[in-house]
Amino acid sequence: GAGVSQTPSNKVTEKGKYVELRCDPISGHTALYWYRQSLGQGPEFLIYFQGTGAADDSGLPNDRFFAVRPEGSVSTLKIQRTERGDSAVYLCASSLNGQSNSPLHFGNGTRLTVT
Amino acid sequence: AQSVTQLGSHVSVSEGALVLLRCNYSSSVPPYLFWYVQYPNQGLQLLLKYTTGATLVKGINGFEAEFKKSETSFHLTKPSAHMSDAAEYFCAVTGSGYALNFGKGTSLLVTP
Repeated sequence: GAGVSQTPSNKVTEKGKYVELRCDPISGHTALYWYRQSLGQGPEFLIYFQGTGAADDSGLPNDRFFAVRPEGSVSTLKIQRTERGDSAVYLCASSLNGQSNSPLHFGNGTRLTVT
Repeated sequence: AQSVTQLGSHVSVSEGALVLLRCNYSSSVPPYLFWYVQYPNQGLQLLLKYTTGATLVKGINGFEAEFKKSETSFHLTKPSAHMSDAAEYFCAVTGSGYALNFGKGTSLLVTP
């Protein structure tokens, strides 16, 4: 079946601009996660949704970052006033029910470059 | 809080040789442990996981890992490396929270 889909695959933007990154999870998965992966590092947790609500947003680095999942399926990660340090691969993952032993299924990521 | 440390950012093995990628964890609660693999320009793919029960877990592509509580380790092994195993490998842990905490990764190089 279809996996986690992320669009766009690449995004180049200028410093100070606003960007939106989209994630379409596996159908039926109630849990959705956003991670950020910088070069040479492991994925870093940003935010977790259970259904429509953000159950844990403790990983968002500052208030320029925001994510929504209005209908409990597709999610959008929004970054305001982008900075060069925001350049990274943004990974989305979903899992069946969000339980700790439920494996995450990852998309291929969106590579964000802020110039 | 839970965390993992992966020893060795780069590991090189010859084709046919044993693969050993090291992972040590820190957790204040019984951990759930995972290994993921990432091929270039692709997302992370689950190799195997330990939740409860048997401490030796087998995954895809001939990989396996053993949970050793006394050593707080979850090392990944494969008896015979293939060229196609060249990739980035990530160990991850979760426990009481929802988020997986990843290590920095180990890049595996397989030489002919």
